Amino acid sequence: EVRLLESGGGLVQPGDSLRLSCAASGFTFSTYAMTWVRQAPGKGLEWVAAISGDAEYIYYGDSVKGRFTISRDNFKNTLSLQMSSLRVEDTAVYYCAKNLVNGIAVYDAWGQGTLVTVSS
Amino acid sequence: EIVLTQSPGTLSLSPGERATLSCRASQSVASRSIGWYQQKPGQAPRLLIYSTSTRATGSPDRFSGSGSGTDFFLTISGLEPEDFAVYYCQHFSETFVIFGGGTKVEIK
Repeated sequence: EVRLLESGGGLVQPGDSLRLSCAASGFTFSTYAMTWVRQAPGKGLEWVAAISGDAEYIYYGDSVKGRFTISRDNFKNTLSLQMSSLRVEDTAVYYCAKNLVNGIAVYDAWGQGTLVTVSS
Repeated sequence: EIVLTQSPGTLSLSPGERATLSCRASQSVASRSIGWYQQKPGQAPRLLIYSTSTRATGSPDRFSGSGSGTDFFLTISGLEPEDFAVYYCQHFSETFVIFGGGTKVEIK
């Protein structure tokens, strides 16, 4: 069974940094691209960042480019999101998700999400 | 930059009725690039349809997808109580992913 478990969320102040992690199990982690998607309270889904299985290809949404860094450790089956210069508008539930298959960037497995609140 | 516009914003229907949700892209996109998700309150999204019309594993056959070019549709042939939720369409390119704003299907 595929399982994704996010951690690292919490309450931070504007300008702070925070690192999210996603522990993956139940599939061959290194062979799948992974992504972070966020959802602000009461709002829709927003794609944040994606990384290929071998970490050779990395892409970011415009709203986080230059502030967030996605990475992965294929030995520890862990996906990470380093967030810096956090803004109030970054407040959201952050989900990690697994690509269905390489070449088709839809997501067939999601974690339960971790809440990041940015507030002074 | 491609924008996905979903309509209607809210769909009020009774159990057993047919639901048709629309997702319009601001420019023509490949059929393989469109997916649909269901999200219930407090839960993560669940993949229903990918490549416009292929049902994901575990997706009931009352869910079907269609469309091409700029206009895509998710149809629920007969609403079950568990189908009342928010539905999102999604487009991906090689470097970018975007979601539509969502359609809420509520009980009338």
